[in-house]
Amino acid sequence: GESVGLHLPTLSVQEGDNSIINCAYSNSASDYFIWYKQESGKGPQFIIDIRSNMDKRQGQRVTVLLNKTVKHLSLQIAATQPGDSAVYFCAENFSGGYNKLIFGAGTRLAVHP
Amino acid sequence: DVKVTQSSRYLVKRTGEKVFLECVQDMDHENMFWYRQDPGLGLRLIYFSYDVKMKEKGDIPEGYSVSREKKERFSLILESASTNQTSMYLCASSAPPSTDTQYFGPGTRLTVL
Repeated sequence: GESVGLHLPTLSVQEGDNSIINCAYSNSASDYFIWYKQESGKGPQFIIDIRSNMDKRQGQRVTVLLNKTVKHLSLQIAATQPGDSAVYFCAENFSGGYNKLIFGAGTRLAVHP
Repeated sequence: DVKVTQSSRYLVKRTGEKVFLECVQDMDHENMFWYRQDPGLGLRLIYFSYDVKMKEKGDIPEGYSVSREKKERFSLILESASTNQTSMYLCASSAPPSTDTQYFGPGTRLTVL
């Protein structure tokens, strides 16, 4: 079946640098996308979302970009901090399907001092 | 804030035991979900429910059943636990169309010996 995938399983960055986590999705009918952060031993935590009628959305230190032409989603974290170290998941939702989300396998972000 | 709670953070059971995992949400959400999370496989949907007493199979329902007698509570049942059901179990809830975002509980790490 169709699924969400991630380009990089592990990303290492220096504290203070910007981080970019990428995600490819395969369902062109998906109309809602979410980024989650999961710290060790905890459940996924909502970070930011975007609907398919937008191509960019900004939050606090985070920006999500959506490129529907190439079915690509990215999460940008500005001035990465040690507390940002976690696994990040993207997920896609096709609103016609009971609000089921399809998750990628996740990317681990490691922030070094 | 949305709060999703799970009855146990850690659980150890023996092969063949019947196991109950409980999930409660306090935001009057219609939809509730059970996932399992395994290294390298991401989150996989076991069952979900879009209303009281309603349930739908997810991607990996074999060996599991669910119960939703009240809107706020969604239970996952392992009728006869097996070692391959050792995993992290995550519960989530959502309330489309007002919000497609799924909010997760802290997870239950189940070990079957």
